[in-house]
Amino acid sequence: GAGVSQSPSNKVTEKGKDVELRCDPISGHTALYWYRQSLGQGLEFLIYFQGNSAPDKSGLPSDRFSAERTGGSVSTLTIQRTQQEDSAVYLCASSIRTGPTNEKLFFGSGTQLSVL
Amino acid sequence: KNEVEQSPQNLTAQEGEFITINCSYSVGISALHWLQQHPGGGIVSLFMLSSGKKKHGRLIATINIQEKHSSLHITASHPRDSAVYICAVPPNTDKLIFGTGTRLQVFP
Repeated sequence: GAGVSQSPSNKVTEKGKDVELRCDPISGHTALYWYRQSLGQGLEFLIYFQGNSAPDKSGLPSDRFSAERTGGSVSTLTIQRTQQEDSAVYLCASSIRTGPTNEKLFFGSGTQLSVL
Repeated sequence: KNEVEQSPQNLTAQEGEFITINCSYSVGISALHWLQQHPGGGIVSLFMLSSGKKKHGRLIATINIQEKHSSLHITASHPRDSAVYICAVPPNTDKLIFGTGTRLQVFP
């Protein structure tokens, strides 16, 4: 596709359930990021994938959060046993090669997660 | 103290006014990003700059690496410029640290 695609655009779930959020980066982009934005808050880094290197998971808030990137393209962010504080917009971004030290990022439109 | 600070937090303007949004950071960086987030939530990268000035249409971004400061200017502002403008820096890593954003409203 022409841009970064995220699905679903909205997800409502019950506390304690697991959810999976998907990100399709721009074709050929090797760097992929997950961020989240809670209501009224700024953007928060979660995890970063770069090519075949081990991902930088330092932003994941707890071990309930995990992410994988298969075949260097599509990424899935999984949240297990969701809590109400997980409610946020989850944003995916990609860039061509190396990341924000010298390249622009392209953002998806986000997944609005609501945990009831 | 946040590593990236923006001012003002909120800004209202009349259509046609010249607008300036400021960003100060305390970490060493190689580049700085200006992002625009519209009310629907979508984020668009406006500029990535490491020195000097960049211009795109009515938008101008400047950076002074020595002073650790960047500004985003909007000339001849228009209601469609209403959005949250976010400054972000990668502090010698590939993670971005984001400012809390400046909410701009331009009234006709």
